[in-house]
Amino acid sequence: DAGVTQSPTHLIKTRGQQVTLRCSPISGHKSVSWYQQVLGQGPQFIFQYYEKEERGRGNFPDRFSARQFPNYSSELNVNALLLGDSALYLCASSLAVAGFQETQYFGPGTRLLVL
Amino acid sequence: AQSVTQPDIHITVSEGASLELRCNYSYGATPYLFWYVQSPGQGLQLLLKYFSGDTLVQGIKGFEAEFKRSQSSFYLRKPSVHWSDAAEYFCAVGARMGGNEKLTFGTGTRLTIIP
Repeated sequence: DAGVTQSPTHLIKTRGQQVTLRCSPISGHKSVSWYQQVLGQGPQFIFQYYEKEERGRGNFPDRFSARQFPNYSSELNVNALLLGDSALYLCASSLAVAGFQETQYFGPGTRLLVL
Repeated sequence: AQSVTQPDIHITVSEGASLELRCNYSYGATPYLFWYVQSPGQGLQLLLKYFSGDTLVQGIKGFEAEFKRSQSSFYLRKPSVHWSDAAEYFCAVGARMGGNEKLTFGTGTRLTIIP
């Protein structure tokens, strides 16, 4: 079975631009979470979606938004890019709402570079 | 608020030698604790988790961890490392915030294996 897939794998943007990252969860998984991992740091939670509804949001500005589609895939959008948005963006899926009892399966990430 | 500290940024171990990684946490209640591994170009993979009960937990790939409440620490161990264990290791603590369960990750420990 395919794991969590993310596209694109790498992306270069300039300051002020907008970017959309995509994630396809493992088949049958209904929850998707997004994390930002800045170089040299651990992942930071951005969003969690379950059954197309936002179930959790981390401490990120409104420039960050996300949505989940009927097929449970998800998009993360970042507007007005800043240099500090350069990071590896990880998507994770789980069967149900990503609580501690529920194992999250991570994708390989999208590496975003903002120049 | 919860926090996680991994005191070792980088550890070098000879192949076949034992491994111990430390994680210190700060949390007001009984923590949910996790160890993840991230290989180059890969997403995060859950090695093991501790919720309650026996303070020694077994994980995948021959890893085990010990929870020491008196030290607010969670140790990851492996009796004999293999070259394939070279990766970044992240400790995480789980907390309930606003009805949602959220993971806070440490900054990671990079493990290098030498022949």
